[in-house]
Amino acid sequence: RKEVEQDPGPFNVPEGATVAFNCTYSNSASQSFFWYRQDCRKEPKLLMSVYSSGNEDGRFTAQLNRASQYISLLIRDSKLSDSATYLCVVIFFGNEKLTFGTGTRLTIIP
Amino acid sequence: DTAVSQTPKYLVTQMGNDKSIKCEQNLGHDTMYWYKQDSKKFLKIMFSYNNKELIINETVPNRFSPKSPDKAHLNLHINSLELGDSAVYFCASSQLGPGANVLTFGAGSRLTVL
Repeated sequence: RKEVEQDPGPFNVPEGATVAFNCTYSNSASQSFFWYRQDCRKEPKLLMSVYSSGNEDGRFTAQLNRASQYISLLIRDSKLSDSATYLCVVIFFGNEKLTFGTGTRLTIIP
Repeated sequence: DTAVSQTPKYLVTQMGNDKSIKCEQNLGHDTMYWYKQDSKKFLKIMFSYNNKELIINETVPNRFSPKSPDKAHLNLHINSLELGDSAVYFCASSQLGPGANVLTFGAGSRLTVL
């Protein structure tokens, strides 16, 4: 089983819709969680950190479920510019490197 | 000003050749990384240096040799290139060390081995 798993998609979603996707991690001793965004042929960029209590940044909401070992990303009122690959990132205790999921590809359709 | 810059952006070469990719950051970060993203878009760490010292060395063939002349530079040299080395190589940097949440990536160097 991979350390960090995501549904690769693609998710094709009409503009204005709400979309959510999850990321599961295998190691319960996980320390920190993040969502990065990668546009086609570009570098990954930090979208948001994921806090235990859940957090929101504009149209984006991130949540952590430690019991079930997954994090989620919800995008409301999706825009064409949200089309990208969303990468889940986990840092495990005792292993200080960032471990990336394979990413979920999202396409917003006009 | 580009925060993390890597050159070349594209590299096409024959199997068996030796090539280098250079990376420089002007953010004043202490830690730099090399990541490899393969055709399936899986992003995997290769190396990490903190203030010129190697701190992460994943299971990478000996043909890959990183070099950090100072904390602002981390170069990657690859000997005897193989078809499977074709990928996008991303350089990145962070301030607080490998556990830092914010990695700033370079634009990537797309290596194609023929």
